[in-house]
Amino acid sequence: NAGVTQTPKFQVLKTGQSMTLQCAQDMNHNSMYWYRQDPGMGLRLIYYSASEGTTDKGEVPNGYNVSRLNKREFSLRLESAAPSQTSVYFCASSEFFFAGGVTDTQYFGPGTRLTVL
Amino acid sequence: QQQVKQSPQSLIVQKGGISIINCAYENTAFDYFPWYQQFPGKGPALLIAIRPDVSEKKEGRFTISFNKSAKQFSLHIMDSQPGDSATYFCAASGDNNNDMRFGAGTRLTVKP
Repeated sequence: NAGVTQTPKFQVLKTGQSMTLQCAQDMNHNSMYWYRQDPGMGLRLIYYSASEGTTDKGEVPNGYNVSRLNKREFSLRLESAAPSQTSVYFCASSEFFFAGGVTDTQYFGPGTRLTVL
Repeated sequence: QQQVKQSPQSLIVQKGGISIINCAYENTAFDYFPWYQQFPGKGPALLIAIRPDVSEKKEGRFTISFNKSAKQFSLHIMDSQPGDSATYFCAASGDNNNDMRFGAGTRLTVKP
């Protein structure tokens, strides 16, 4: 059981370039999330997928798009990277999005460190 | 505007000492308060969590204290060990997983 995996681990982009961050989970979880982590800001939710076939905006969605490819995979795309998108990106998953009034535990991947020059 | 404020930013404790990290929240609709532990190069991992129907929860050396009226909660690490050196994040959310709000993090260093 690998849990949540992310590729790549590191990436350097130039302003205006595009790229896709990949995430996969092998826990048969229904819900998946993308966060960014910035110094002094904690983690902030970019997009989430409550279940296969659905995606919704989180707290900071501007400049990003997502695709829930199947139940296992959830990708994050930067169409035109900007220096403000320099961050560490974490993918997470949980068995349920809304577990009958109980927030479900989220399991995080190891992160992708992205630098935009 | 950060909805969950965490302090201190960094903390140095001697081995065997008590580490205390504090968080305060604003949204009274929050009813789930987890703490995450993150080691360098790794993703955050759930350490312990509490709901507001109890004032304290203990798991091994880790204890969450919760003060609903003050809208504050804290993590206490008893008998701190060098292996506890990590960044700790508090968080708060309501019923849905999309409204989780994280504190800025506390970097804990436990000196041998």
